[in-house]
Amino acid sequence: DAGVIQSPRHEVTEMGQEVTLRCKPISGHNSLFWYRQTMMRGLELLIYFNNNVPIDDSGMPEDRFSAKMPNASFSTLKIQPSEPRDSAVYFCASTTTGGRSPLHFGNGTRLTVT
Amino acid sequence: TQLLEQSPQFLSIQEGENLTVYCNSSSVFSSLQWYRQEPGEGPVLLVTVVTGGEVKKLKRLTFQFGDARKDSSLHITAAQPGDTGLYLCAGVLIDTNAGKSTFGDGTTLTVKP
Repeated sequence: DAGVIQSPRHEVTEMGQEVTLRCKPISGHNSLFWYRQTMMRGLELLIYFNNNVPIDDSGMPEDRFSAKMPNASFSTLKIQPSEPRDSAVYFCASTTTGGRSPLHFGNGTRLTVT
Repeated sequence: TQLLEQSPQFLSIQEGENLTVYCNSSSVFSSLQWYRQEPGEGPVLLVTVVTGGEVKKLKRLTFQFGDARKDSSLHITAAQPGDTGLYLCAGVLIDTNAGKSTFGDGTTLTVKP
């Protein structure tokens, strides 16, 4: 199993530009999570999906952030327009539904907004 | 206020020493996980604890879940440089949608050879 695959690994963009992060979850997993990690705030849950449906997006910081899951094997997190304070490592994780199922994380996308 | 408080935040020790890191909360969890994260990678699951008072061992690592399921500890015996990393605890609250984990801020461990 290839694990959770995220792309790109690194993204450097200028303030005001649109950024799209991509995630392919593990096949058979029906829950997908987007997290953001910074030194100041640690790992923050942004949004999660069950069976491709957004369940909780209360962690999405602003309307500039949006996420979609058009099918079971693909999700995107979009920031438009991007700002320097969005600089962070963004992780995607997947699991099977159920509180005791562990999260399987991708290796993250390091976003730098200048 | 952080739901899960981890301590210490940073820990630097010599190879061969023992250490304990803590994960505390005032909330009750249905399960709690410990993850280890290395630079440039995502967190990787070490263990899941479910039952109050449960103790699990993974080679030199011993994990304990508090009787009230509000706290947990991770003890490492004879630490090695390969144990270096960020240790994160994460819990699923009793009355929360299944799968929604809350993470602590982590303990950064450095083991010097």
